[in-house]
Amino acid sequence: AQSVAQPEDQVNVAEGNPLTVKCTYSVSGNPYLFWYVQYPNRGLQFLLKYITGDNLVKGSYGFEAEFNKSQTSFHLKKPSALVSDSALYFCAVRHNAGNNRKLIWGLGTSLAVNP
Amino acid sequence: SQTIHQWPATLVQPVGSPLSLECTVEGTSNPNLYWYRQAAGRGLQLLFYSVGIGQISSEVPQNLSASRPQDRQFILSSKKLLLSDSGFYLCAWRGGTDNNYGYTFGSGTRLTVV
Repeated sequence: AQSVAQPEDQVNVAEGNPLTVKCTYSVSGNPYLFWYVQYPNRGLQFLLKYITGDNLVKGSYGFEAEFNKSQTSFHLKKPSALVSDSALYFCAVRHNAGNNRKLIWGLGTSLAVNP
Repeated sequence: SQTIHQWPATLVQPVGSPLSLECTVEGTSNPNLYWYRQAAGRGLQLLFYSVGIGQISSEVPQNLSASRPQDRQFILSSKKLLLSDSGFYLCAWRGGTDNNYGYTFGSGTRLTVV
């Protein structure tokens, strides 16, 4: 069965330090992978995706993620965290074959960037 | 441009009252549409999805129903709300001509059943 795991409920990082939010997935075949961010009482916003090609994907707001097929991971990273990055982050995966129309979501990781 | 509208932003309803939340998409045709519920500010629960007018798939049996009367309109309803229906409801779409492969979300509706 397809699944996504975000092993950390919360990540705390000091402003200016690098941040990593972890995501691992389980899907048969080649995955489509996504990261979304949610600010309080708002809808989710798309950050970046991996479909094919370069394993390092760059997205919005200075975020990037690295697709690692052997480790089935897609960790979100940013070289220097900002207080405004504090939000809830979701990883999602979609199988790239057939008529699969649904994303499988992780439970989310709350990122707190401390000034 | 492609946009998604969801309203109302907040709603307080008494137990046993009906519910109607509306979602519309602009700038695309034949979108796949989704209703999610988010409880306690964390995980997303897929409630319904639709691939076309009148076509609704239910993911979780519950006190809610969905309808798609027009191509770009998706409605979430209930005849009698329960306390457990409280939560943050999100509409999303994945368009047929969209290269994103992912979803675009509406701004959400905070429903409190009292």
